Amino acid sequence: AQSVTQLGSHVSVSEGALVLLRCNYSSSVPPYLFWYVQYPNQGLQLLLKYTTGATLVKGINGFEAEFKKSETSFHLTKPSAHMSDAAEYFCAVSDRSNDYKLSFGAGTTVTVRA
Amino acid sequence: DSGVTQTPKHLITATGQRVTLRCSPRSGDLSVYWYQQSLDQGLQFLIQYYNGEERAKGNILERFSAQQFPDLHSELNLSSLELGDSALYFCASSSSGGGLGTGELFFGEGSRLTVL
Repeated sequence: AQSVTQLGSHVSVSEGALVLLRCNYSSSVPPYLFWYVQYPNQGLQLLLKYTTGATLVKGINGFEAEFKKSETSFHLTKPSAHMSDAAEYFCAVSDRSNDYKLSFGAGTTVTVRA
Repeated sequence: DSGVTQTPKHLITATGQRVTLRCSPRSGDLSVYWYQQSLDQGLQFLIQYYNGEERAKGNILERFSAQQFPDLHSELNLSSLELGDSALYFCASSSSGGGLGTGELFFGEGSRLTVL
């Protein structure tokens, strides 16, 4: 079975600083990996995904993530935080052996300080 | 806009009552998922339907039930409501299923249920 661990339920960064959200997964088969963002009072929307190919994946709003198989990680980064990045972020892994069911991490809430 | 439509957006009701939440998936998506999100439980998977049939069950209470209709829209029925059922209920759809796809989900805006 797949599982996802997000390190840190809350992250606070200064505007303009690096955003780093950590995600580790366990999977018995090569995974498909996703980051979703949820802004206040909204649904989840896809930030980026890794399926195959290049391990550095670029998403919307300047975010990117790198798939590191040896570390079973898929950390999300953004070089310079903006106030509008304040949201909850979810890492997810798709279980190819179980009809691609997504398993979500517990989420990380990002606050951005002016 | 994800293409997934949920109604109603907000619902206030009393304990013991029954409500129905409705979801229209993205055009062409055969899979529909229901999730519950609350402050204390986080994002919880409830149930999945694929092309009209139940495909997977998560942490869904016996008081809750769901179905997917021939036109692929889905309804989540919540009965004998308790205060603790107050939450955001999300529907998501996917083109994945039947052994194909990537698992990517497209979420609706959610239905916020308040039980008083």
